[in-house]
Amino acid sequence: GAVVSQHPSWVICKSGTSVKIECRSLDFQATTMFWYRQFPKQSLMLMATSNEGSKATYEQGVEKDKFLINHASLTLSTLTVTSAHPEDSSFYICSANGGSTGANVLTFGAGSRLTVL
Amino acid sequence: DQQVKQNSPSLSVQEGRISILNCDYTNSMFDYFLWYKKYPAEGPTFLISISSIKDKNEDGRFTVFLNKSAKHLSLHIVPSQPGDSAVYFCAASARTSYDKVIFGPGTSLSVIP
Repeated sequence: GAVVSQHPSWVICKSGTSVKIECRSLDFQATTMFWYRQFPKQSLMLMATSNEGSKATYEQGVEKDKFLINHASLTLSTLTVTSAHPEDSSFYICSANGGSTGANVLTFGAGSRLTVL
Repeated sequence: DQQVKQNSPSLSVQEGRISILNCDYTNSMFDYFLWYKKYPAEGPTFLISISSIKDKNEDGRFTVFLNKSAKHLSLHIVPSQPGDSAVYFCAASARTSYDKVIFGPGTSLSVIP
């Protein structure tokens, strides 16, 4: 089945530093990937749509200069949280559409827990 | 404005009994619905889906029912097992953008042995 790998699974950083999270589709190509954010006991909020070879599309209220997305290949999208602050601490999850799971079904990575001190 | 609602944040069910998780949506453009299951500190995993042309879809112990007129769907798990304890997210998408999936807030299911 379709597998999406996310790395790192957890990261702790100091306030003001930048953190990069990688999302890879392991056994299929993904022209589009999605980045979600989940606060404790809340739903997954779509942050942006990552498009291979072009600019990401951000949802309303998401700062594109804060959350940099790069989709350089058909199997890799990266999310960089720039100048992270404690309020950026969250669970970030990526997903991709495709693979054997089904055309309309998203496959999710395991998520990345970011803690900003 | 929450387009996908799950009004029960939590649900407890005895092992072997039926679990019914409910979901309501407001966007009439939605025509594809999915249920995802999520364990703590993990990404969601796909469980079952239903297209708006159907009113029922069954996969083993899991059945999803769709009532388009009421904009309501439900997930039935029979029989419930302790391993089913997780957070269940209802999600929806529209034919104009199937990739863009909107999630509900989730229902935490506890199956008591």
